[in-house]
Amino acid sequence: QSVLTQPPSVSAAPRQKVTISCSGSTSNIGINYVCWYQQLPGTAPKLIIYEDYKRPSGIPDRFSASKSGTSATLDITGLQTGDEADYYCKTWDSSLSGKVFGGGTKLTVL
Amino acid sequence: DVQLVESGGGLVKPGGSLRLSCAASGFSFSAYAMNWVRQAPGKGLEWVSSIGSGNDKYYAASVRGRFTISRDNAKNSLYLQMNSLSAEDTAVYYCAGEPGNSYFLHWGQGTLVTVSS
Repeated sequence: QSVLTQPPSVSAAPRQKVTISCSGSTSNIGINYVCWYQQLPGTAPKLIIYEDYKRPSGIPDRFSASKSGTSATLDITGLQTGDEADYYCKTWDSSLSGKVFGGGTKLTVL
Repeated sequence: DVQLVESGGGLVKPGGSLRLSCAASGFSFSAYAMNWVRQAPGKGLEWVSSIGSGNDKYYAASVRGRFTISRDNAKNSLYLQMNSLSAEDTAVYYCAGEPGNSYFLHWGQGTLVTVSS
């Protein structure tokens, strides 16, 4: 049972948009930065969003994110088959004094 | 180029110990916080432990008291000493570099730890 709650799976057609949610609480998302990782099959995770909405160098602007209250959202527009991956949110939990990942969301591009 | 290379994984019996290493290059290792993250087969990511640039250490509840994180800035290396291992510790262990504000910018390729009799 993850501290951060993500939908297990989402799907959409190529060129469409998908939204992945990450729900937490006042001890984690509510007061700390959220970041997002993409994990392609068989590879290590890759940072795609940090400090709630910022993109690292090389991450296309098709990936965007926001945060409101105790929830965060990752949007991916113009979906490509290469976007099929598991996506994880992560933040610091001040009550646990540790970093916490969401359970992950598997994106399928139909 | 940035590189994080984990080593030390393998097969160990329940109750046994293992020491993982992570060799870093291509970035200012001493200025980064460093982390261990694991992923059990077919499961999601789980943060295990972190060590700050000032040597402050944090552990997930699931490993506290059994695992010890350490670093050697002179060798640009991160370590994880794992004791009292159980089947629940079976996972790919990744090291990850954190430049600030809790985000993991650099990742290694992972090393597999299997705990089985």
